[in-house]
Order: sequence, then C-alpha cells, then structure tokens
Amino acid sequence: KQEVTQIPAALSVPEGENLVLNCSFTDSAIYNLQWFRQDPGKGLTSLLLIQSSQREQTSGRLNASLDKSSGRSTLYIAASQPGDSATYLCAVKGPDSWGKLQFGAGTQVVVTP
Amino acid sequence: DGGITQSPKYLFRKEGQNVTLSCEQNLNHDAMYWYRQDPGQGLRLIYYSQIVNDFQKGDIAEGYSVSREKKESFPLTVTSAQKNPTAFYLCASAAQLNTEAFFGQGTRLTVV
Repeated sequence: KQEVTQIPAALSVPEGENLVLNCSFTDSAIYNLQWFRQDPGKGLTSLLLIQSSQREQTSGRLNASLDKSSGRSTLYIAASQPGDSATYLCAVKGPDSWGKLQFGAGTQVVVTP
Repeated sequence: DGGITQSPKYLFRKEGQNVTLSCEQNLNHDAMYWYRQDPGQGLRLIYYSQIVNDFQKGDIAEGYSVSREKKESFPLTVTSAQKNPTAFYLCASAAQLNTEAFFGQGTRLTVV
C-alpha cells in the first residue's frame, strides 16, 4: 500500500529565505506526483505536476524535483513572501486505483515579514 | 471560467438526516472524485467515477453514496449511516488517468 509522508509538519521562515519542502513515498510505481497549496478553509490549488518520466518541473519561483527510485520529491520556493504562507500538500497517483491520489498530511508554512 | 463548483460552502446536518453535496465541473473531464479532509490528516478518497453511470468505492465509502448521471455532475450524499460526518469535503476532476487533478473550494459539513 502506498504511503506518503511530508516532513516537517510545520515550518516557519523569514521573508526572503528559500523554502524547501519534502515529500516521500513508499511505492515507486507511480504515474505522477502533484504539489498543491491549500489556504485555510479553502480548496486545493494545483502548483506543479511531475510525470513519472520527468526529473523536475518549474513554474515561476517554484521548482519541484522527483527521484522516483528513492521515493522522494522536493518542492523549492525561491525568495519566500508572506503570501506563500499556506499548507502544501503532495500527492502521488499510482496504477492501483483509477486516478486516485494518495496524499501526504501536508506541511504548514508560515513566512514572517 | 472553467472550473469545479461545490455547493453549499457550509452545510449543517441534524442527527439521522441525509444531506447531498453538489459538485459541478465545466472542464469536460471524464474522471471525478470525492475526498474527505479531517484536521491533521491527509485527504482520503470516498468515491470516484471514470465515466457517466459508473463509479467505484474509495477507501472510506461506508455511509456515503454517489451518482453520475451527467458528465458534469457528481453529487455526494452523506447518509445517516455515516457516524462521524463532520469534515471538509472536496470534489476533484481530471481529464485522464495521468493528467493534472483540479479541486473545488470545498464544503464544510457539521453535525448539529
């Protein structure tokens, strides 16, 4: 059974620092991995999708890497801003159930001015 | 604007009552999903549907039911059999198996 872990559960950084968020998964047989952002009381906003054949994906200040063999993904957010404060979730999609996303519990990020 | 619309945003249920959460998408996606989110836990899959008139149970389907009569719509009914329904419910859709998933803004259900 696929298990997804995100460490740390919470993170606080001063504005301007780079953020590094970790995601690990136990079964390397995945179709893709997706990073989401969730603001309090809101739905999930998709940030980046990495297909299993890709090593990384970039969008603006965000960069996500994928090492399928070691079961790890890292989300980098450059030059953090207070507006980056949110919970970040990673999820993997595998072949065991049609399109089902297996989620980690998330990392809550606070960027202080 | 293309997207997923969930309604209502807040819902209150009395003991023994069934309630239905709405999910509508105009993205022309085949697959739709319902997830439940509890504080401090990851999202858990309730039901999913690949195509119209077909749906499958997820990891925590007990006490829930769904229908998929139209491609755009995937309503979730929380029945009186669900013993602990208070949670945040999220609907999602995806075009195909290995494509990006998109989520709605969620419905917060509270038992009163």
